[in-house]
Amino acid sequence: NAGVMQNPRHLVRRRGQEARLRCSPMKGHSHVYWYRQLPEEGLKFMVYLQKENIIDESGMPKERFSAEFPKEGPSILRIQQVVRGDSAAYFCASTRGDTAEAFFGQGTRLTVV
Amino acid sequence: GENVEQHPSTLSVQEGDSAVIKCTYSDSASNYFPWYKQELGKGPQLIIDIRSNVGEKKDQRIAVTLNKTAKHFSLHITETQPEDSAVYFCAVTGGGTSYGKLTFGQGTILTVHP
Repeated sequence: NAGVMQNPRHLVRRRGQEARLRCSPMKGHSHVYWYRQLPEEGLKFMVYLQKENIIDESGMPKERFSAEFPKEGPSILRIQQVVRGDSAAYFCASTRGDTAEAFFGQGTRLTVV
Repeated sequence: GENVEQHPSTLSVQEGDSAVIKCTYSDSASNYFPWYKQELGKGPQLIIDIRSNVGEKKDQRIAVTLNKTAKHFSLHITETQPEDSAVYFCAVTGGGTSYGKLTFGQGTILTVHP
């Protein structure tokens, strides 16, 4: 009974490189949400996706960040040309859509050096 | 947009004591209020939630109360144990089909001393 799976758990990138973060929702869940947590802060909503659709990207920076949730495979959060300020923990959550409970993965800790 | 304030930011108690964490929110349309526990290096874990049509909910040693008129809700942990030590976050959402779009409080670091 796997929960929300995120990989990698830790990712180190040099400034200017690309970061790709993956999230597989819980079985039976079709709604995916990405959050960012800066050190010693709460979680901030970034983007909400359903299969092949971006529903709400109001929390995602307009430049360098993109997200997708293809028909097959995990959801991907992509950060191009990373900068030191992108260093954070990125969490993915999933819901069934018709119920309230959102379950989170263990996160990907991105460090930009 | 929604604004959630959480207090206190740190809370230190002795084992066996009770702990209370409070949150206030701004959007009166919010109707779902979960609490998450986050241990070091891990993702947030849902521990209890409450909907706007309920004033109180209890699950063993934890309970949540909601005052919709005043727009605040609280987490109560009784008979605290060292393993309760973690960061606790309240969250709020307006529901519908975007239940997972949560606005979080700033978090409370709870330390339970043996």
